[in-house]
Amino acid sequence: DQQVKQNSPSLSVQEGRISILNCDYTNSMFDYFLWYKKYPAEGPTFLISISSIKDKNEDGRFTVFLNKSAKHLSLHIVPSQPGDSAVYFCAASARNTDKLIFGTGTRLQVFP
Amino acid sequence: SQTIHQWPATLVQPVGSPLSLECTVEGTSNPNLYWYRQAAGRGLQLLFYSVGIGQISSEVPQNLSASRPQDRQFILSSKKLLLSDSGFYLCAWSRALRDQYFGPGTRLLVL
Repeated sequence: DQQVKQNSPSLSVQEGRISILNCDYTNSMFDYFLWYKKYPAEGPTFLISISSIKDKNEDGRFTVFLNKSAKHLSLHIVPSQPGDSAVYFCAASARNTDKLIFGTGTRLQVFP
Repeated sequence: SQTIHQWPATLVQPVGSPLSLECTVEGTSNPNLYWYRQAAGRGLQLLFYSVGIGQISSEVPQNLSASRPQDRQFILSSKKLLLSDSGFYLCAWSRALRDQYFGPGTRLLVL
């Protein structure tokens, strides 16, 4: 049972435009969500997180939105840059646990 | 600042051979430590996690084992590798917050 789903395996965006990566979850006990960026043959890099008490968190070009009623979160990157080309994973954690459940990732390609 | 090391970076092993992957964390004490595997085209699967020395929790039945002999050392092992053990192995740590930070990974190819 995939508790965290990233239904788009890939996304292609032009440089300077907005990239929107989506993530859905099924477990209502999740209360903390994270996004990671991963280049090939490297470990994932933490990007941004959001607690369920918020519906938006912003850090520079990256903004994460959380819609608890829809059990949906999204990562917005604006403006997109070629260096943003990577695989993006969303992850979720339930209260009273340090374990993260990861989605299967979305490969973002930003072209000039 | 905290850093996390993994070695080796790449490993090619024959089926049936033993395995030992090492992970160490610097710049923090009493971290939670995690081993993940990323199979080709798949997400990250949690294999083991540890909240302290000698404390190991296994998430999935498998051919692998983990040990934590020291506070900041986490070892992933196997007595006999299978073809299906091939993948990209990642170690991660966390401290207090639920954000986890990953090492550079080890690519294992079992032939």
